[in-house]
Amino acid sequence: DVKVTQSSRYLVKRTGEKVFLECVQDMDHENMFWYRQDPGLGLRLIYFSYDVKMKEKGDIPEGYSVSREKKERFSLILESASTNQTSMYLCASSLQGRIADTQYFGPGTRLTVL
Amino acid sequence: AQTVTQSQPEMSVQEAETVTLSCTYDTSESDYYLFWYKQPPSRQMILVIRQEAYKQQNATENRFSVNFQKAAKSFSLKISDSQLGDAAMYFCAYRSATNDYKLSFGAGTTVTVRA
Repeated sequence: DVKVTQSSRYLVKRTGEKVFLECVQDMDHENMFWYRQDPGLGLRLIYFSYDVKMKEKGDIPEGYSVSREKKERFSLILESASTNQTSMYLCASSLQGRIADTQYFGPGTRLTVL
Repeated sequence: AQTVTQSQPEMSVQEAETVTLSCTYDTSESDYYLFWYKQPPSRQMILVIRQEAYKQQNATENRFSVNFQKAAKSFSLKISDSQLGDAAMYFCAYRSATNDYKLSFGAGTTVTVRA
């Protein structure tokens, strides 16, 4: 089975802190994604990566950056956390070139910024 | 970006009964994929069912089936013989056939199953 893990299930940070959310997948997937999930808005794509060191902005990249130094690991960075970044963050991965293939999701990190 | 609309924030169903979740989407493309994902409370999101737009036959996975109406841009999910384990938030999602990464999600429908 594909396994996507995220470094924390719950995280509490203060405004202005730099925050790192880590995601690791064990199935050699080329594509990796970061979403945020908010009530009434569903999931919105923040960034995705289709290869090591490659990244593309999603629908809501403002206030976020990402890093992919290794194929299995994709990090989401909040340079200076703000209260409006309090949310559930979901990581996902998928194979490339198989457009009907599913995305596999991690358990999520619930981030609270105080 | 494509818009996916789930008009039912919450649905409740009696155990063993059937519930239908609605989803509509807006696109100008003719080739695309549609998905239903399930997110149980405090658990990981998983794929329930997917439909290729070029296939007229509705997809079925055990107790889960879809009613895909391409002209109406409608993609509803029917859960038959509902079980307590079906309680979750369900998301409808759209992906263009011209790329393999971007999923557009609806807002979700929370399904409650009454024993």
